[in-house]
Amino acid sequence: DQQVKQNSPSLSVQEGRISILNCDYTNSMFDYFLWYKKYPAEGPTFLISISSIKDKNEDGRFTVFLNKSAKHLSLHIVPSQPGDSAVYFCAAGSGAGSYQLTFGKGTKLSVIP
Amino acid sequence: NAGVMQNPRHLVRRRGQEARLRCSPMKGHSHVYWYRQLPEEGLKFMVYLQKENIIDESGMPKERFSAEFPKEGPSILRIQQVVRGDSAAYFCASSPLDLAGGIVTYNEQFFGPGTRLTVL
Repeated sequence: DQQVKQNSPSLSVQEGRISILNCDYTNSMFDYFLWYKKYPAEGPTFLISISSIKDKNEDGRFTVFLNKSAKHLSLHIVPSQPGDSAVYFCAAGSGAGSYQLTFGKGTKLSVIP
Repeated sequence: NAGVMQNPRHLVRRRGQEARLRCSPMKGHSHVYWYRQLPEEGLKFMVYLQKENIIDESGMPKERFSAEFPKEGPSILRIQQVVRGDSAAYFCASSPLDLAGGIVTYNEQFFGPGTRLTVL
């Protein structure tokens, strides 16, 4: 049973345009969500997070939106750059201090120059 | 400050052999987590350790898998009598001790580059 779903295995975007990566979850206990970025042959790198008490968190070119009623979150990258090409994982956790992260399968983003 | 180190980066084993994966956490980090990524899947939590203690191994297969984080040296994930289904990327993450209350926040898990295990 996949509790965190990233339904688009891949996404191609033109440089300078917006990239939107989507993530859905089924477990109502999740209250903290993260996005990780992963390059080939490297480990995941933390990008941005959001708590369930918020519906938006912004950090530079990256913004995460959370829609709790729809159990949906999205990562917006504006403007997209070739260096953003990587696999993006959505992850979720539940409970203060919890350490188990549940990951989606990832979306491979390709930013075309 | 060196990041999380894992070795070997690639490990090839034949069915029935043992695999030992090592993880050195970031300096000052006392919490270690192991995750496994099967082909075309997301990372899945396996085990959480602190020095000399296994805190949560609920994600670890009941047989053939074990983990330790000794007082000195790296954390070791050990897989005995490997089978082809064990072929995966194994990632280690570490986090610091939160002196304010012992609570580890999610975004403080720093991942290593992973060990790719191939079982022939």
